[in-house]
Amino acid sequence: EAGVAQSPRYKIIEKRQSVAFWCNPISGHATLYWYQQILGQGPKLLIQFQNNGVVDDSQLPKDRFSAERLKGVDSTLKIQPAKLEDSAVYLCASSSGLAGAKNIQYFGAGTRLSVL
Amino acid sequence: AQSVTQLDSQVPVFEEAPVELRCNYSSSVSVYLFWYVQYPNQGLQLLLKYLSGSTLVKGINGFEAEFNKSQTSFHLRKPSVHISDTAEYFCAVSDSNYMDTGRRALTFGSGTRLQVQP
Repeated sequence: EAGVAQSPRYKIIEKRQSVAFWCNPISGHATLYWYQQILGQGPKLLIQFQNNGVVDDSQLPKDRFSAERLKGVDSTLKIQPAKLEDSAVYLCASSSGLAGAKNIQYFGAGTRLSVL
Repeated sequence: AQSVTQLDSQVPVFEEAPVELRCNYSSSVSVYLFWYVQYPNQGLQLLLKYLSGSTLVKGINGFEAEFNKSQTSFHLRKPSVHISDTAEYFCAVSDSNYMDTGRRALTFGSGTRLQVQP
């Protein structure tokens, strides 16, 4: 079974530029998450999708961040314009969404963003 | 609201010695508990999980953890570590009633860096 795929692995941009990250979850997984992991900290949820609908985006800085999962499969996270404090690893995770799966989440390798 | 505290940011240990990584949590609802490991430049890999039942859970790579409800702890242990165990370890919790509440996101601690020395 293929895991969670993310691209690119690394991205370097200057502040005020825009950037987009892509995630393809495990096949059949209904729930998709984007987490932000700042150096030295644990991951923090940015947004949670159930199929193609947003369930929780309370921690997403909506003035600059946006995310979509149009067909309920892969997802894109965008930052526009980027700030220095957005430098972090952006992790995508997925879970089946079924009760029996006990909310076990599977993570991709992440995209490391450096904003200069 | 939930929170997770990992008291030790770094734990140096010699190869073949035992190790314990501490995790305490706070939650107003019942929880599932997880330990994840992150190797350099990689994503998070699930080590083990407590969902219900026996409070001692075993995971991959010889790790185990014990859930203590009265002390709200979920400490990770390994009787003999290897150089290859050098990594960042994260404790996390989620709402066990997530199917009703929809709250599925994991709340993570800040991580413990395990440094195994020869």
